[in-house]
Amino acid sequence: RKEVEQDPGPFNVPEGATVAFNCTYSNSASQSFFWYRQDCRKEPKLLMSVYSSGNEDGRFTAQLNRASQYISLLIRDSKLSDSATYLCVVNLSGGSYIPTFGRGTSLIVHP
Amino acid sequence: GAVVSQHPSRVICKSGTSVKIECRSLDFQATTMFWYRQFPKKSLMLMATSNEGSKATYEQGVEKDKFLINHASLTLSTLTVTSAHPEDSSFYICSAQAGLTGELFFGEGSRLTVL
Repeated sequence: RKEVEQDPGPFNVPEGATVAFNCTYSNSASQSFFWYRQDCRKEPKLLMSVYSSGNEDGRFTAQLNRASQYISLLIRDSKLSDSATYLCVVNLSGGSYIPTFGRGTSLIVHP
Repeated sequence: GAVVSQHPSRVICKSGTSVKIECRSLDFQATTMFWYRQFPKKSLMLMATSNEGSKATYEQGVEKDKFLINHASLTLSTLTVTSAHPEDSSFYICSAQAGLTGELFFGEGSRLTVL
């Protein structure tokens, strides 16, 4: 079983739709969690950190479920510009953080 | 947010030559940097973990003699692709890790084309 798993998609949604991605992780000792966004032929950029209490940034909501070992990303009112690959990153603490990436979930928002 | 600069952004070279890619953390010290490669429409693949002042840790299947990593200071790591071949053509990305949060900051990537 992979350490961090994501549904690769693609998720094809119309503008204005709400879409959610999950990312499961296998190591219960994982310490910190992030969602990154990667556009085609570009480097990943931090979208948001994921806190235990859940956090929201505009149309984006991230949640962590430690009991079930997954994090989620909810995007409301999708825009065309949201089309990208969304990567989850899970850090395992072993002295220093050891980041593990999911393979990414592709989102395509169409008119 | 923190900035990581990667240079060059694009490089074209002939087979057999060596190419050096630099990764600099501009406004924070990074004891740990990571090097990835990514083929078109594929996911990031971790090549190695670069630790300041010590040898890099390479992932399985990555040739350490071909991909030389040097992390001589807290703000600079370099990746040298030695004796490059066309199959080394790829997008190479570095990232630096912020110590307190473990957050990763990525360089802009370097697109290598080997003719």
